[in-house]
Amino acid sequence: GAVVSQHPSWVICKSGTSVKIECRSLDFQATTMFWYRQFPKQSLMLMATSNEGSKATYEQGVEKDKFLINHASLTLSTLTVTSAHPEDSSFYICSARRSGRVLETQYFGPGTRLLVL
Amino acid sequence: AQKVTQAQTEISVVEKEDVTLDCVYETRDTTYYLFWYKQPPSGELVFLIRRNSFDEQNEISGRYSWNFQKSTSSFNFTITASQVVDSAVYFCALAYGGATNKLIFGTGTLLAVQP
Repeated sequence: GAVVSQHPSWVICKSGTSVKIECRSLDFQATTMFWYRQFPKQSLMLMATSNEGSKATYEQGVEKDKFLINHASLTLSTLTVTSAHPEDSSFYICSARRSGRVLETQYFGPGTRLLVL
Repeated sequence: AQKVTQAQTEISVVEKEDVTLDCVYETRDTTYYLFWYKQPPSGELVFLIRRNSFDEQNEISGRYSWNFQKSTSSFNFTITASQVVDSAVYFCALAYGGATNKLIFGTGTLLAVQP
């Protein structure tokens, strides 16, 4: 149990386009999902906390207008990188926590590698 | 402030050697959780273990063992008889913040197990 999927796994796009990344909890409901960003050979940095049915909470320094997050259901959160630029190229990872469990383990998706040309 | 320190950036061992990955954390919360995750070259984070702040009992799972010591704020991870498949980046993480339950990660330790 506790499987999280992400789609797509790889995306290459031109500068200026928008890219949508999906995160799904496959076998459990997740009131809360998290979006992380990881640059090569670096640690994961939390970008935002996504709550079902409400606005996402962004970490300091993360542009909410650039990284749009929508958590429309208990099993799906999406991250849209708007007007992507080469500096947005990174590895984006989502995680999900089971509904109703506050200090529950976060289960991670396989990640999405974004390359902006 | 919350912080997780993994002082070892890279470790290289020969297969069958034992290896310990260090993790030191800082938090003022009395209730928190500590985690270890493995990130193989594919990039997917694999959950290894979770410990809560009230349970200092050490744990063993096969070749893996963990030593949690609140007195030194450490949560070290030992792999016994390492194998090439253990090669990966290992992250220690701290969950804090009550309802928000945010995870803060250490910088990771790259473990290379040579055949």
